[in-house]
Amino acid sequence: GQQLNQSPQSMFIQEGEDVSMNCTSSSIFNTWLWYKQDPGEGPVLLIALYKAGELTSNGRLTAQFGITRKDSFLNISASIPSDVGIYFCAGFTNAGGTSYGKLTFGQGTILTVHP
Amino acid sequence: DTAVSQTPKYLVTQMGNDKSIKCEQNLGHDTMYWYKQDSKKFLKIMFSYNNKELIINETVPNRFSPKSPDKAHLNLHINSLELGDSAVYFCASSQGTGYEQYFGPGTRLTVT
Repeated sequence: GQQLNQSPQSMFIQEGEDVSMNCTSSSIFNTWLWYKQDPGEGPVLLIALYKAGELTSNGRLTAQFGITRKDSFLNISASIPSDVGIYFCAGFTNAGGTSYGKLTFGQGTILTVHP
Repeated sequence: DTAVSQTPKYLVTQMGNDKSIKCEQNLGHDTMYWYKQDSKKFLKIMFSYNNKELIINETVPNRFSPKSPDKAHLNLHINSLELGDSAVYFCASSQGTGYEQYFGPGTRLTVT
């Protein structure tokens, strides 16, 4: 099946630093999404990307949909302690000729921010 | 005000038992999902329902049986629980094609 390779697996940074993480796939995805999961909670959608080459921001977060449609990156600028959590990339593919589909998730990047 | 809710939050049970997890969404979405997150935090889709109709079944053992009484509810029943079923199970919902999915808080299932 499709697999997403997300890197790095974990990051330890100082408050105020910028963060970059990325996701690559051997398959093409129609849509890329980035989620954040806090401890004991479900993933929360951060950014959705719909077109190859698209660059989208959400506050201090910026994400891009790669031109080849096989990769995406997420940048967080000026990190703060509440940025701590697990960040997941996800690619969307249609299910068997229907307009409905499924998300395939990367392995996650665990972010730790030291004050 | 909870958008996607699940009950129970924690479930501890013994091997061989049968248990259910309930999910409700008040977002007015027409598609609901069940995901399993293993101990390494890997998230994998199990099922997807659109308007009470099964549209995705990701080679999940038939001990797992989802049921959708209406489009706002999707329950997961698990028969003959095994140790390997221990995980966090997330319910999610979306409108239409499912690009943007909203997740519940999860149910941590521990099988002893």
